[in-house]
Amino acid sequence: SAVISQKPSRDICQRGTSLTIQCQVDSQVTMMFWYRQQPGQSLTLIATANQGSEATYESGFVIDKFPISRPNLTFSTLTVSNMSPEDSSIYLCSVIGAPGNTEAFFGQGTRLTVV
Amino acid sequence: QQQVKQSPQSLIVQKGGISIINCAYENTAFDYFPWYQQFPGKGPALLIAIRPDVSEKKEGRFTISFNKSAKQFSLHIMDSQPGDSATYFCAAISGYSTLTFGKGTMLLVSP
Repeated sequence: SAVISQKPSRDICQRGTSLTIQCQVDSQVTMMFWYRQQPGQSLTLIATANQGSEATYESGFVIDKFPISRPNLTFSTLTVSNMSPEDSSIYLCSVIGAPGNTEAFFGQGTRLTVV
Repeated sequence: QQQVKQSPQSLIVQKGGISIINCAYENTAFDYFPWYQQFPGKGPALLIAIRPDVSEKKEGRFTISFNKSAKQFSLHIMDSQPGDSATYFCAAISGYSTLTFGKGTMLLVSP
């Protein structure tokens, strides 16, 4: 299984500011994803991070609000822009390792509180 | 439209008992069904998974039962322990698409 390091683990931010979350994997992976998990809820996919090209966003999520970068096969960032209290949530990085492999692994998550 | 329905929402089981969590899906293209275990403050961890060509898979105290005709699958935790207290998510995926998660079951195993 891949080891995923996600930073920061938690943060408290002022509304109107932006936070960038980093996801570092210990090996090259095929696919990287960003999820949001609101307290007591299931996981909602924000987008698929594509290496060297624009991320693929799910319905309800837009690039201006959640810009994503993936410069290589082991690293991705998610920025939560112009934050409001409604953005308070846990943000999770997920990876699928090898081509043809469907096992998905998750980072520890970033607990974001917007005040 | 929720494509994977999970029940119950919460479950209390006595230590040593059997915990059973059920999921049903609609999309017949799904071909991989993992279960994730999540402790508070942690990311989900892959627990066990099954493909539709088998009806049951067992790993230690954890068993997945799969009924392809009914489009249902379930997680059984035998000899449940307090350390099993966590939230469990079923999920499904087809090919190289993305995971679809159930809404989760919060399991509490009482000592």
